[in-house]
Order: sequence, then C-alpha cells, then structure tokens
Amino acid sequence: EVQLVESGGGLVQPGGSLRLSCVASGFTFSNYDMHWVRQARGKGLEWVSGIGTVGDTHYPDSVRGRFTTSRDNAKDSLYLQLNSLRAWDTAVYYCARGSYCYSGHCSPVGAFDIWGQGTMVTVSS
Amino acid sequence: QSALTQPPSASGSPGQSVTISCTGTSGDVGGYNYVSWYQQHPGKAPKLLIFEVSKRPSGVPDRFSGSKSGSTASLTVSGLQAEDEADYYCKSYAGVSAGSNTWVFGGGTKLTVL
Repeated sequence: EVQLVESGGGLVQPGGSLRLSCVASGFTFSNYDMHWVRQARGKGLEWVSGIGTVGDTHYPDSVRGRFTTSRDNAKDSLYLQLNSLRAWDTAVYYCARGSYCYSGHCSPVGAFDIWGQGTMVTVSS
Repeated sequence: QSALTQPPSASGSPGQSVTISCTGTSGDVGGYNYVSWYQQHPGKAPKLLIFEVSKRPSGVPDRFSGSKSGSTASLTVSGLQAEDEADYYCKSYAGVSAGSNTWVFGGGTKLTVL
C-alpha cells in the first residue's frame, strides 16, 4: 500500500523548534519530489516546502529562513525542521508526494497525489 | 505569492452540476498549465481530483472535470452526489521566487449538496 506517515508534532513554545518526519512506503521514494503543506484549524491549505529528488529545496517567502526541509532516501524519509516558531505556525502539517522524476524529467507537474494523515503542531506558551 | 481566489461557498442539488472558479494572475494560473484541484472532507487529508488543468488521476470519477481560461481555472462537478459535499481547493505553480519553485493554493470553497 502506498502510504505516508507523519510524526513529530506537538506543543512548543513561541521561538522554539520542532522536527517533523514523514516515512514513505509502497513506492520508490527516491524517484519523487516531496512537499509539506499545512492547514490551520478552520483555514485553507498552505504550501510550505518542497524538495526535489536531487535534494533541491523550495520555500514560499512566508517560511524561508525559518523552515528547512530535507530527505533521507535510504530511510524513505522526509523531514521538516521548524525554527523560530510563532503562534501563526500552529497547524496540521501534511507531507505529500509530488512529481515522479527520472533522468531529469518530472511528471506530472504539481500533482500532489498521496498525502499523509497529518501531524499537529501547536505553538503556545 | 498571494492565495488564489475561490468563492467561499457553492451549492447544488443532487444530480445538478456546479462549477467552482479559481482566479489568479499571469504569474500563476494564467502563466502555466499546472493547476490542480483537491477535495477535502472534514478531518481528512486532501485528495487529488485534477492535475495539469484537466487531467484526472485513475479512480477519480469523470463527473469531475477541470478547465482554464486566461487566469481563471474552473472545476465542474456534474451529477452531484451527497458524498461530493466537501471543501475544494485549487493549486497552481507560481513561478520562481528567490530561487525557489513555488506553489500557491486557493482559499477553498465549501460545496454543499442541498
């Protein structure tokens, strides 16, 4: 079964840090772009990071410099390091599978086709 | 990287068709054919419905269709069913910013089946 399972969420004080993990199974993890998407309670989806198959990382302006995404293909794992956390970072964080990439060609583009169940991050004192 | 604009709500009766719009700019929806749509039921993870404007993943009913005109993309749900009641989000590639490929979601539309 193709599956993504996140972990690492929890309660952290403002200014604190947290590291989220996402373990993949049922597919060749190293051949896919991967992404993190978050959703505050009652709000919409927000893309927060992406990482390519060769380790290139991508962020929106809203989190660049505070969040760092990485991957360990040997462990079929995706990570998101959250630093300098603020109350507005409180959300459910999902990992999602992106494009299949082979020999420098990625397809389809922008299809986040597999999602984990999410892990909750609460930033509060 | 402003969110794409979707109507907050939409509704229709069973069997009817409903179209949800997603408006962006030439820097996102209008500039690339990389619009996707997601369905999210309460308490669940999003599910991919449409990618690359109008393509359906296997397993998604053909009642769901996507299109684009200029900087506005649309999702049409035909033959509405009770289980279609959910939140729907569009997403588009938004170009490169500070060396990063970026993606932007719409604010979401709550679809009610009357």
